[in-house]
Amino acid sequence: GQQLNQSPQSMFIQEGEDVSMNCTSSSIFNTWLWYKQDPGEGPVLLIALYKAGELTSNGRLTAQFGITRKDSFLNISASIPSDVGIYFCAGQFGGGSEKLVFGKGTKLTVNP
Amino acid sequence: DTGVSQNPRHKITKRGQNVTFRCDPISEHNRLYWYRQTLGQGPEFLTYFQNEAQLEKSRLLSDRFSAERPKGSFSTLEIQRTEQGDSAMYLCASSFTAYQETQYFGPGTRLLVL
Repeated sequence: GQQLNQSPQSMFIQEGEDVSMNCTSSSIFNTWLWYKQDPGEGPVLLIALYKAGELTSNGRLTAQFGITRKDSFLNISASIPSDVGIYFCAGQFGGGSEKLVFGKGTKLTVNP
Repeated sequence: DTGVSQNPRHKITKRGQNVTFRCDPISEHNRLYWYRQTLGQGPEFLTYFQNEAQLEKSRLLSDRFSAERPKGSFSTLEIQRTEQGDSAMYLCASSFTAYQETQYFGPGTRLLVL
């Protein structure tokens, strides 16, 4: 099935470092979302973006909706051990096609 | 807890058996989605309902799969004659139709077909 290109696949960082990950697509999306998933659990919504160029923060997390509507990035500042998990980007076409299309995820490991 | 709930959380079955999963969405959410997630992949869309109407189905949803939402509240996903390739995490999400719609996921049902 269709998936977004998400990078990097994995990251190993020290506690306190900043993290950046991104998603690109050949398709235009009306909505971009970022989720975090812990092992054995469902994805938890972190940030939702609805307009091209939009920059939104949620605590130490900041995400942007690319102006071409084909990409998005997520930054995490001053990482802490509980940031460990898999981060997924998802795009939604909207306009009658409401399904989410997901990337393959970025696995984040934070060393204390 | 007013989030999306799914039951059972885990299911082990033998190949050829039928299984059924249940999803209870966030109350007053009129849209309900089913996704499947295999190891190392992101969730993949299966189908979704608006109220009791099934509006979209993925090609991933073979004729062995059927989903219902009879009263526009909870939903069930049934897999008949399970195959080993059906082993995956089955995720349910719900949302409320709005200008800026957001899908909230349940904890998932992990299926293992032996």
